[in-house]
Amino acid sequence: DADVTQTPRNRITKTGKRIMLECSQTKGHDRMYWYRQDPGLGLRLIYYSFDVKDINKGEISDGYSVSRQAQAKFSLSLESAIPNQTALYFCATSDLQTPPHPPYYEQYFGPGTRLTVT
Amino acid sequence: DQQVKQNSPSLSVQEGRISILNCDYTNSMFDYFLWYKKYPAEGPTFLISISSIKDKNEDGRFTVFLNKSAKHLSLHIVPSQPGDSAVYFCAASAGNAGNMLTFGGGTRLMVKP
Repeated sequence: DADVTQTPRNRITKTGKRIMLECSQTKGHDRMYWYRQDPGLGLRLIYYSFDVKDINKGEISDGYSVSRQAQAKFSLSLESAIPNQTALYFCATSDLQTPPHPPYYEQYFGPGTRLTVT
Repeated sequence: DQQVKQNSPSLSVQEGRISILNCDYTNSMFDYFLWYKKYPAEGPTFLISISSIKDKNEDGRFTVFLNKSAKHLSLHIVPSQPGDSAVYFCAASAGNAGNMLTFGGGTRLMVKP
C-alpha cells in the first residue's frame, strides 16, 4: 500500500465550484505539504503544516485553503475554482534526515491529482 | 523570480552515453540540494542529494556536482538507460528557512535505445 495517498486522482470541475482534494499518509510524519505543478514552473508550495495545530501559507496560497484534520490527513480546498487553477496537485510529507549534515527534511510525495477547471 | 532554475526543459541522450542535467540557484542561503525524479502519473521521488560542505556526491550511476562559487549544480547519469527517461527536478533547502524546498522547473530526459 502507498504511504501517501491522494483522492481523487483526476477531477474535472466547472468555474465557481468548490472542490476538496484529500491527502492521507501512513508514514507517521508531522510535516505535510501541498504543491501544484505547472509546466516549466516546477512545484510551487501552496500550504504547509508542521503539526495538527500549525498551518502556514506557502508561495501561492491565494484562492486555496487547507485543513489538517489529524496527523495523517491534510486537505486542500478551492473555494471557488477558476481555470488558472488547472494543474497537477501533489501532497507530500517529510521526515528529518540527520545525518547527513546539515540536517534536512526529505519529502515523500503522493501520486498527484490532475485537476481541470473548465 | 525563480530562485532555482533549470534552463533546459528537455534533453535527449543515446543509451549508454552520459546525461548531464544542470541547475542554477540565486539564494546564497541554500545549504542542501536535492534531485528528484518523476515518472508520468507518479509523484516525484528522491534521487540524490548534496550538502553545501561537499562538492561531489556519488550513488551508483548518479553523481551530483556542486559549484558554490558559480551557484551551479549538475546531475550526471552514467551510463544512461531507457528507464532513466523521466522529468528531473532540482531542489534546494535553506536550514534557516525551516528546510523548506524550492524547486526548479524540471528537465525532461529522454534516453533513446
